[in-house]
Amino acid sequence: DIPLTQSPSSLSASVGDRVTITCRASQTISNYLNWYQQKPGKAPKLLIYAASNLQSGVPSRFSGSGSGTDFTLTITSLQPEDFATYFCQQSFGTPYSFGQGTKLEIK
Amino acid sequence: EVQLVESGGGLIQPGGSLRLSCVVSGLTVSDNYMNWVRQAPGKGLEWVSIIYSGGSTRYADSVKGRLIISKDNSKNTVYLEMNSLKVEDTAVYYCAREADSSGYPFDHWGQGTRVTVSS
Repeated sequence: DIPLTQSPSSLSASVGDRVTITCRASQTISNYLNWYQQKPGKAPKLLIYAASNLQSGVPSRFSGSGSGTDFTLTITSLQPEDFATYFCQQSFGTPYSFGQGTKLEIK
Repeated sequence: EVQLVESGGGLIQPGGSLRLSCVVSGLTVSDNYMNWVRQAPGKGLEWVSIIYSGGSTRYADSVKGRLIISKDNSKNTVYLEMNSLKVEDTAVYYCAREADSSGYPFDHWGQGTRVTVSS
């Protein structure tokens, strides 16, 4: 199994801020790391795949980086619609795993 | 347009059984890897199971031996047979397609179906 440790678990920020969320894997997973956004009562939405690739239709203020065990999701110039919960997920091997989530709240 | 529509959730007593369905349109399950992911109330996401295009399957340890994933290619539908249900199986269950591309992300999700296990 490959646990993922996501930090912080919650984050308060203002519209226009830049925020960074980190995800650490317990072993190397190359770039098999994906990021999702989830809003209350909705299914998760894919933002970033393979660590750094922006999913079609996702605004360019979202970006991802990292390889091996350490990964980051960065959102520049936060917009009101970005306040949500974010999850990382490893697809290196089954059982797949998700980080525990980061809830991004308005300051 | 790709759509995944789950159904079959509900209230069930501990030890009971339930079958969830995920009807897919816009892609063929026979050519895709399909997953079930669940989310307990107020909690994070937990991967449950995968069925590969060829029909082989994998499970999370927490559900192995009790939950069974299957598919009917002719109906373009994926199923999750849930047996010996426990209170801790209470969750929203999502069906998700795993893209056959870099990173193998879950790029299409259903809206989820809620399962509540309670006496």
